[in-house]
Amino acid sequence: DAGVIQSPRHEVTEMGQEVTLRCKPISGHDYLFWYRQTMMRGLELLIYFNNNVPIDDSGMPEDRFSAKMPNASFSTLKIQPSEPRDSAVYFCASSPRTGYTDTQYFGPGTRLTVL
Amino acid sequence: QQQVKQSPQSLIVQKGGISIINCAYENTAFDYFPWYQQFPGKGPALLIAIRPDVSEKKEGRFTISFNKSAKQFSLHIMDSQPGDSATYFCAARRWSSASKIIFGSGTRLSIRP
Repeated sequence: DAGVIQSPRHEVTEMGQEVTLRCKPISGHDYLFWYRQTMMRGLELLIYFNNNVPIDDSGMPEDRFSAKMPNASFSTLKIQPSEPRDSAVYFCASSPRTGYTDTQYFGPGTRLTVL
Repeated sequence: QQQVKQSPQSLIVQKGGISIINCAYENTAFDYFPWYQQFPGKGPALLIAIRPDVSEKKEGRFTISFNKSAKQFSLHIMDSQPGDSATYFCAARRWSSASKIIFGSGTRLSIRP
């Protein structure tokens, strides 16, 4: 099993540019989560999907952020336009189901730097 | 009410010593408490978890102690090793919230050889 795959691993862009982060969850997992990690705010849940449908996007910071899951094997997180304060590590995680002790499996993250 | 408060922010322990990380919560609807371990450049990974119907859970050198009345839980790492150096996150989840996990702020643990 390849685990959760994220791309790119590193992204450096200039303020105002569009950024697209990609995630491939573990096959068979029903839930997909997007997190943002910074020193100041720690690990924050941005949005999560169940069976490709967004369930809770209350963590999405602004309208500049959007996420999609067109099918069970692919999701994107888009920032348009990007700002320096968006610099962070963005993680994607997937979970097999809502069982009581189901584990979220995290990808390696995408380190985003907005200049 | 959704917060999970974690302390200390950083911790240095000698090899062979006991590392202790503490967490507290307010929402009594939380009913599942996992701990995640994160190494530099990697995503967090589940380390150990506990349900509130037990006061302690042990897996190897890692033990969770849970105090439901005080709404506190802690991670103990016995015989701490340099390979345990990582960031540790406590977390909480409400069963009815469909997998949404609330993470603590993290503790950076360094084990001195």
